[in-house]
Amino acid sequence: ELKVEQNPLFLSMQEGKNYTIYCNYSTTSDRLYWYRQDPGKSLESLFVLLSNGAVKQEGRLMASLDTKARLSTLHITAAVHDLSATYFCAVDGDLIFGKGTKLSVKP
Amino acid sequence: NAGVMQNPRHLVRRRGQEARLRCSPVKGHSHVYWYRQLPEEGLKFMVYLQKENIIDESGMPKERFSAEFPKEGPSILRIQQVVRGDSAAYFCASSPIGGLSDYGYTFGSGTRLTVV
Repeated sequence: ELKVEQNPLFLSMQEGKNYTIYCNYSTTSDRLYWYRQDPGKSLESLFVLLSNGAVKQEGRLMASLDTKARLSTLHITAAVHDLSATYFCAVDGDLIFGKGTKLSVKP
Repeated sequence: NAGVMQNPRHLVRRRGQEARLRCSPVKGHSHVYWYRQLPEEGLKFMVYLQKENIIDESGMPKERFSAEFPKEGPSILRIQQVVRGDSAAYFCASSPIGGLSDYGYTFGSGTRLTVV
């Protein structure tokens, strides 16, 4: 059974700081997805990572994928309050999700 | 260009009643996925459908839950004889192709089911 683990599950950080969220998965998958969810809202697609070594950046967020290590990272640079949300990674064609990382950015 | 439309947004049912959740995919998308999200949890895959076919229902509870995606009209997730434990947010997603998608998936706004 495919398992997806994210850590940390909760992250409180100050504005301006950098941090990384980790996503490990248990079986081979060539594609990994990152989503953002605001409270009470739907999921917004952030990144689709399609191959080993893929790196994508959008604003203060950068995602990477290492299929050999079965690891993806979501790096946050110089966090701002607007980034406060829950971030999910997901793998496989049916999208198996991690439990999410609830990010809170404080001034 | 409407995204994935789900209705109703909120649904309250008494124990034992039936709940019907609707999902209209993005125009041109023929693949639909249903997920359930409990409070403070990630999304759990339930079922993957193409038009008139169930492709993967490995995440569906064996009893009381069913899903369809007819040739015409929205996809329906049906829960019979609801119990309190069915209270959750149910999300639908669509994609233009199935399986390992290069495009990701477009999610609807969800239906929040409350069983009283």
